Amino acid sequence: KAGVTQTPRYLIKTRGQQVTLSCSPISGHRSVSWYQQTPGQGLQFLFEYFSETQRNKGNFPGRFSGRQFSNSRSEMNVSTLELGDSALYLCASSLEADYEQYFGPGTRLTVT
Amino acid sequence: KQEVTQIPAALSVPEGENLVLNCSFTDSAIYNLQWFRQDPGKGLTSLLLIQSSQREQTSGRLNASLDKSSGRSTLYIAASQPGDSATYLCAVSDSSGTYKYIFGTGTRLKVLA
Repeated sequence: KAGVTQTPRYLIKTRGQQVTLSCSPISGHRSVSWYQQTPGQGLQFLFEYFSETQRNKGNFPGRFSGRQFSNSRSEMNVSTLELGDSALYLCASSLEADYEQYFGPGTRLTVT
Repeated sequence: KQEVTQIPAALSVPEGENLVLNCSFTDSAIYNLQWFRQDPGKGLTSLLLIQSSQREQTSGRLNASLDKSSGRSTLYIAASQPGDSATYLCAVSDSSGTYKYIFGTGTRLKVLA
């Protein structure tokens, strides 16, 4: 069974631009979570979606947003990029948010 | 607020040693605890999931235990190999239905050939 896929794998953007990252969960999984990983802060929860509804959001500014489609695929968007947004963005899928989570390879975002 | 701590932050051992990685959490009201490994620049690979009603889980050379009352979990790796070199992360989901996992900062393991 195919794993979690994330596109693109690498991105370089300039401050002030916006970016959209995509995540396709494992077939049958309805929960998709997003995390930001940086050397200084580790893995931090961004948000979780289930059946197109955001059920929880981490402590990030409103520039970070997301959505989930009816096929469970999810996108996250970051507007007005800042240098501090440079990070590895990881997506995880599961049958339900509290169940075993399966992670994708991540999208490495570099903001210059 | 749930906080997850992993000690040690880094560990270097010779091949063949048995080792224990530690994970502590401040709120014992957890739903699940999951151990992951992460290779440099890559995503996370799930190793073991322990539900709150369980005491331990085993997979091959890995054994994870959970003591909710003391807020601790350990990951035991038997007969370590150079291929085990990676960062090991533990994460807990709390039982309040917040639909998220809280991650520890990880233990960076290096197994020397």
